[in-house]
Amino acid sequence: GAGVSQSPRYKVAKRGQDVALRCDPISGHVSLFWYQQALGQGPEFLTYFQNEAQLDKSGLPSDRFFAERPEGSVSTLKIQRTQQEDSAVYLCASSLSSSSYNEQFFGPGTRLTVL
Amino acid sequence: AQRVTQPEKLLSVFKGAPVELKCNYSYSGSPELFWYVQYSRQRLQLLLRHISRESIKGFTADLNKGETSFHLKKPFAQEEDSAMYYCALTGGTSYGKLTFGQGTILTVHP
Repeated sequence: GAGVSQSPRYKVAKRGQDVALRCDPISGHVSLFWYQQALGQGPEFLTYFQNEAQLDKSGLPSDRFFAERPEGSVSTLKIQRTQQEDSAVYLCASSLSSSSYNEQFFGPGTRLTVL
Repeated sequence: AQRVTQPEKLLSVFKGAPVELKCNYSYSGSPELFWYVQYSRQRLQLLLRHISRESIKGFTADLNKGETSFHLKKPFAQEEDSAMYYCALTGGTSYGKLTFGQGTILTVHP
């Protein structure tokens, strides 16, 4: 494919609504990362998958955040009962292997606005 | 805990002038340092990494472990260099979880 894709590109949710954000990584990439980028800030790590295994979820801000990658390719980040502080750009990145030397390729992001 | 600091949110220079974007880090081990760039309406992309010791688009960055810095430099800025620049590091994991700075918006005036 052309690169990492994310959908939707923009999402407006009412406070309390559940949302699901999708990431399609580059085909064959083992590693998948989710980052959250608040306005005016750098991206912050949320969670990491190696194939279908979620090896690190230390950055998830609360138990309202849940991520999965059931078949080791597409990943979904779900946020339950959204709050205004969840408003941010959510970035997905993939890399070829699990080595820290590998370049991470980023998607365009999903901009979530919670009203 | 690891941390990346970019002290300048905004940096303006004129075309042809030298530019330096500052980055300082705190990490107790041996980090891997990166510069990522985001041009207008484009996605975040890797510019360079310290381990490669390469020059990309005329930019270089040297890791100074004594000063815990990884400043990005270019001797002659071009208008197309205008973008958001993020310094980032990985450390403590084998899989490359990135810690980013807050970013510096570079504007190169004609």
